Amino acid sequence: GAGVSQSPSNKVTEKGKDVELRCDPISGHTALYWYRQSLGQGLEFLIYFQGNSAPDKSGLPSDRFSAERTGGSVSTLTIQRTQQEDSAVYLCASSLAVTASTDTQYFGPGTRLTVL
Amino acid sequence: AQSVAQPEDQVNVAEGNPLTVKCTYSVSGNPYLFWYVQYPNRGLQFLLKYITGDNLVKGSYGFEAEFNKSQTSFHLKKPSALVSDSALYFCAVRDMGRDDKIIFGKGTRLHILP
Repeated sequence: GAGVSQSPSNKVTEKGKDVELRCDPISGHTALYWYRQSLGQGLEFLIYFQGNSAPDKSGLPSDRFSAERTGGSVSTLTIQRTQQEDSAVYLCASSLAVTASTDTQYFGPGTRLTVL
Repeated sequence: AQSVAQPEDQVNVAEGNPLTVKCTYSVSGNPYLFWYVQYPNRGLQFLLKYITGDNLVKGSYGFEAEFNKSQTSFHLKKPSALVSDSALYFCAVRDMGRDDKIIFGKGTRLHILP
């Protein structure tokens, strides 16, 4: 079956531009997570969705970052007025639900964002 | 607040030797614990998890991890390392009593030397 997919796989943009990153979770997975992985760093939690709602937005680095999920499926992470420090790999993961026994997360391949 | 620590940025092990990648955690309640692996130029893959029951958990690729409540540790182990085990390993924790996100460690890079 299909896994988590993300698009684009690579994005190069100029400082100040807006970008949209897309995540398609595994069908039937109600929980969706966004992480950021900077070079040489661990995984930085950004936001998660349970269905279409986002109970925890605490990881978003600034108000330039936003995310939405519609129809309980596809999610979009938007970064406005990108800065060079936004350059990183953005990872998406999904799980059956945000309950402890079922929240094994399955990760997509990531989107590598480079801000010039 | 929950947290997880991987005290070693890098671990070097000779092929065929046993390997250990360390992880310690802190939660207010009981923990759910996970290990993920990231191979070069690939996404993260789930290895194993501890929910409850037997403290020794067996996972993919011959890996296992032991939950030690008194030491708040969940070290990843393998009896005999392969060169193909070289990758970045992440430990993660979730507080059982909370509807909360999973927290990942910073990762440990494992180098298996031929």
